[in-house]
Amino acid sequence: GENVEQHPSTLSVQEGDSAVIKCTYSDSASNYFPWYKQELGKRPQLIIDIRSNVGEKKDQRIAVTLNKTAKHFSLHITETQPEDSAVYFCAASENSGYALNFGKGTSLLVTP
Amino acid sequence: EPEVTQTPSHQVTQMGQEVILRCVPISNHLYFYWYRQILGQKVEFLVSFYNNEISEKSEIFDDQFSVERPDGSNFTLKIRSTKLEDSAMYFCASSGLALSYEQYFGPGTRLTVT
Repeated sequence: GENVEQHPSTLSVQEGDSAVIKCTYSDSASNYFPWYKQELGKRPQLIIDIRSNVGEKKDQRIAVTLNKTAKHFSLHITETQPEDSAVYFCAASENSGYALNFGKGTSLLVTP
Repeated sequence: EPEVTQTPSHQVTQMGQEVILRCVPISNHLYFYWYRQILGQKVEFLVSFYNNEISEKSEIFDDQFSVERPDGSNFTLKIRSTKLEDSAMYFCASSGLALSYEQYFGPGTRLTVT
């Protein structure tokens, strides 16, 4: 089955700095890669996603890049703010309606 | 904006008891899922459901688990005989049309088995 590895497990940055979280996946059939943000005790919330026919996608301060050949994808957050502090999970899926296979999460702390 | 809802928010049960966790997916969505998250760990897939049948399930989803869509709005997860290791947050999710990849999660039900 699909195995998603995520690094780092914790990340601490100063407000205004950039944060990068990286994931690798094992199944070449995966073609959908979402990122979820989970605040303490809350539901995972979809913040950005990318499909395999696209190499990069950006939404304001958040961007995701995908390298299908190397089987890795990354989340980039620029101009970080304290409210960005949360656990971020990457995931991979083969198709719509299929299981999301999650990474172990990155706990991001943005200090003022 | 429509959201997935789940009840109850917290369920405490004794080992060996049956529990039913309930979910109301977003109304026009066609695919439904259950995931679980043990405290401090990653989200794990349990099962997906489409067109009134299971479309995919993980190794976790053994004979103790079942899902049902008893009516046009609810989606339930039943655990027949709970074990201590079933203690986790259980999330329901739904996604829309056939080419819609995005899965939207409910707020979760925290299940505590004593």
